[in-house]
Amino acid sequence: AQSVTQLDSHVSVSEGTPVLLRCNYSSSYSPSLFWYVQHPNKGLQLLLKYTSAATLVKGINGFEAEFKKSETSFHLTKPSAHMSDAAEYFCVVSASFGGTSYGKLTFGQGTILTVHP
Amino acid sequence: DTEVTQTPKHLVMGMTNKKSLKCEQHMGHRAMYWYKQKAKKPPELMFVYSYEKLSINESVPSRFSPECPNSSLLNLHLHALQPEDSALYLCASSPGDDRRETQYFGPGTRLLVL
Repeated sequence: AQSVTQLDSHVSVSEGTPVLLRCNYSSSYSPSLFWYVQHPNKGLQLLLKYTSAATLVKGINGFEAEFKKSETSFHLTKPSAHMSDAAEYFCVVSASFGGTSYGKLTFGQGTILTVHP
Repeated sequence: DTEVTQTPKHLVMGMTNKKSLKCEQHMGHRAMYWYKQKAKKPPELMFVYSYEKLSINESVPSRFSPECPNSSLLNLHLHALQPEDSALYLCASSPGDDRRETQYFGPGTRLLVL
């Protein structure tokens, strides 16, 4: 079984300051981990993905995340927030569905990022 | 083309109506998914189609009926829905059905059941 905990439901930053969105996971298998972003009334867009290659993963729009197995964490960071980053962010773990290889995504509860001018 | 399209964008229906949601992708992906997302909640998986066959049904009520006419198209037929079925319905696709594959999401259909 797998689970995801996003440690903050809301994060508020000023434009130009760093962003940190925290995520801890639990998985019985070597997990694939994703961060998705959802702007209001939109679908989900993939930011980045970890699948057991490099532990520091770079994504789109200046975001990156570091996989730390010892801490079971996959925190999302960005050096300098932009107003357009305001959205909801989901940390997602994918593991096998039952005894199959089918991917089942387990979503965290989401973190709403607010960016102040 | 890395896009998943969904129609309609918005849908209002009564509890006795029959309607369908449509999802299309032209990326050659062989797995397609339906998710339901209630307000302020993460998406919840409903169905998985792999190579045009229904692989996973997450105990979804029979008033939701999925259909995969071909590898590019996924429909969700709706009948006798309840007001609590109002939600954003998201379609996604992935190259294969392995857990390591990235799922690409469409913009969703926002459904209101009166």
